[in-house]
Amino acid sequence: EIVMTQSPATLSVSPGERATLSCRASQSVTSNLAWYQQKPGQAPRLLIYGASTRATGIPARFSGGGSGTEFTLTISSLQSEDFAVYYCQQSNNWPNTFGQGTKLEIK
Amino acid sequence: EVQLVESGGGLVKPGGSLRLSCAASGFTFSTYSINWVRQAPGKGLEWVSSISDGSSYIYYADSVKGRFTISRDDARNSLYLQMNSLRAEDTAVYYCARGGLYCSGGSCYPRPFDYWGQGTLVTVSS
Repeated sequence: EIVMTQSPATLSVSPGERATLSCRASQSVTSNLAWYQQKPGQAPRLLIYGASTRATGIPARFSGGGSGTEFTLTISSLQSEDFAVYYCQQSNNWPNTFGQGTKLEIK
Repeated sequence: EVQLVESGGGLVKPGGSLRLSCAASGFTFSTYSINWVRQAPGKGLEWVSSISDGSSYIYYADSVKGRFTISRDDARNSLYLQMNSLRAEDTAVYYCARGGLYCSGGSCYPRPFDYWGQGTLVTVSS
């Protein structure tokens, strides 16, 4: 099973600033990496798939990068609605696996 | 608008059974693979099971294999999860999610989940 490790566990950033979240795979997942956003009491929402393609309706301030084992999610200018927990997920091998999440909080 | 609405959660004793349902609307249900993903209280996400369109391919996480059964009824636009021999560690919010599976040439590959329901809580406790 591929283990996904996200860092940091918690990231404190001020509104309007840039946030960069990291995700590392225990072995290569090529570009089969997705990012999800989850707010308290809500279901996850797909943000990015294929490592860098934004899902339908996702603002351009969200961007994904990386391949192989190292990936990043960047939010260019944080809005109040962006403070949430973010999960990465690999879909290269069975079973698909998620990272433990990064909580993005207001500084 | 794509909608997935789960139901059937509740409190059940260890060793008991429960059947979850997911009602889909806003898309052609029969042409999509559908999945169950769970989240224990305060924890991360765990994929549970996937079923392809046409029910030709079914996958389970090792943690539920032999105890859970996924099925679908395309005429009713519904997905189900029969959960038997429940354990305390099965306590979680169970989400229904679209996508998650791509099959071609007799092989299937995992894929991201593009739409999720709001979830239903299953609590296993005596």
